[in-house]
Amino acid sequence: GAVVSQHPSWVICKSGTSVKIECRSLDFQATTMFWYRQFPKQSLMLMATSNEGSKATYEQGVEKDKFLINHASLTLSTLTVTSAHPEDSSFYICSASGSGSLGNEQFFGPGTRLTVL
Amino acid sequence: GQSLEQPSEVTAVEGAIVQINCTYQTSGFYGLSWYQQHDGGAPTFLSYNALDGLEETGRFSSFLSRSDSYGYLLLQELQMKDSASYFCAVRYNFNKFYFGSGTKLNVKP
Repeated sequence: GAVVSQHPSWVICKSGTSVKIECRSLDFQATTMFWYRQFPKQSLMLMATSNEGSKATYEQGVEKDKFLINHASLTLSTLTVTSAHPEDSSFYICSASGSGSLGNEQFFGPGTRLTVL
Repeated sequence: GQSLEQPSEVTAVEGAIVQINCTYQTSGFYGLSWYQQHDGGAPTFLSYNALDGLEETGRFSSFLSRSDSYGYLLLQELQMKDSASYFCAVRYNFNKFYFGSGTKLNVKP
């Protein structure tokens, strides 16, 4: 099956620093990548959708200047949390979908647990 | 906008059958997916229905009725490892996905 990796799996940082999270599709071309945020015992909240080579589409309420998304290739998307604050602490999950039948499902990365002190 | 309703929690015993319902409201509907998520882990894909009817994959089956904006996930021969949260998600406007709030399934011995 299709595999998506995410790095790092967890990160602890000081308030005010920026954190970059990488999401890679390992064995298929991800035409679309999604970034989600999940709080404990809650659902996945879609933050943004990105297509390779074009600007990400952010969901309402998500600050594009704070959560920078780059989808530079068909296998790599990055999310940078700029000037992180404790309220940004969360579980961030990326997913990817491909073309054809691979577009019907999302393949999720293992997630990144961000803790901002 | 989009909305999805599914029960917040369901409890069943090992070996039993459980059905998790999902009703949705969306425009530009493409299909309904189901995902399983264990505590601390990432969601994993279970099924996708674009057309009306029942799709069976092993112990899991998923049903869709587009006219009723309704679907369900059926889990048979429940095992302890099936204890997890189950999310339905609508695919709309081609490449948009909206997730429900999740149903926590507790399987008891």
